Amino acid sequence: GAGVSQSPSNKVTEKGKDVELRCDPISGHTALYWYRQRLGQGLEFLIYFQGNSAPDKSGLPSDRFSAERTGESVSTLTIQRTQQEDSAVYLCASSVDWGADTQYFGPGTRLTVL
Amino acid sequence: GENVEQHPSTLSVQEGDSAVIKCTYSDSASNYFPWYKQELGKGPQLIIDIRSNVGEKKDQRIAVTLNKTAKHFSLHITETQPEDSAVYFCASFMDSSYKLIFGSGTRLLVRP
Repeated sequence: GAGVSQSPSNKVTEKGKDVELRCDPISGHTALYWYRQRLGQGLEFLIYFQGNSAPDKSGLPSDRFSAERTGESVSTLTIQRTQQEDSAVYLCASSVDWGADTQYFGPGTRLTVL
Repeated sequence: GENVEQHPSTLSVQEGDSAVIKCTYSDSASNYFPWYKQELGKGPQLIIDIRSNVGEKKDQRIAVTLNKTAKHFSLHITETQPEDSAVYFCASFMDSSYKLIFGSGTRLLVRP
């Protein structure tokens, strides 16, 4: 079946603008994860969803970041008042269930803040 | 919190040789250890994983070993091919935190 998809693939925005990044997980996957990957670095955990709820938001870098998930499907990561340090690739992953389960990653959204 | 260290950061091998990447983790409660391959411009792809009740797992040219006492695990790629060139990430997972903690990555170059 289809894998995890993300849109847009690339986003260029001006400092101070808000952006929304979308993730469509694999159908039927209960758990959904967001990560940030700065250039040449590893993946930084941001937030995860069990169904539509996010039990742990401590990984979000600041209160400018928020995420939601609806219908146990699509998730949106919103960054308000973007800063240049927000420039990175934002990756989404999903797994059948939460816990020690295989996470399947999407291709990512490359965000550039000018 | 959990920390994962990965070495080396870059690795260059001749085609046909073996490549070994090592990771150490800090929290003994970690129980799941996947390895991901990331090609340029793509998301990470799972290549092999191991759980804490197993010491070794093999899939064709790829194998992973886990030493729980020493808290380290390694990725072994034999008979390397140019298409193995990519960035490889190890990760560890704890049920209590529901987070995958990633290493910093190893850039593998297989020279033809």
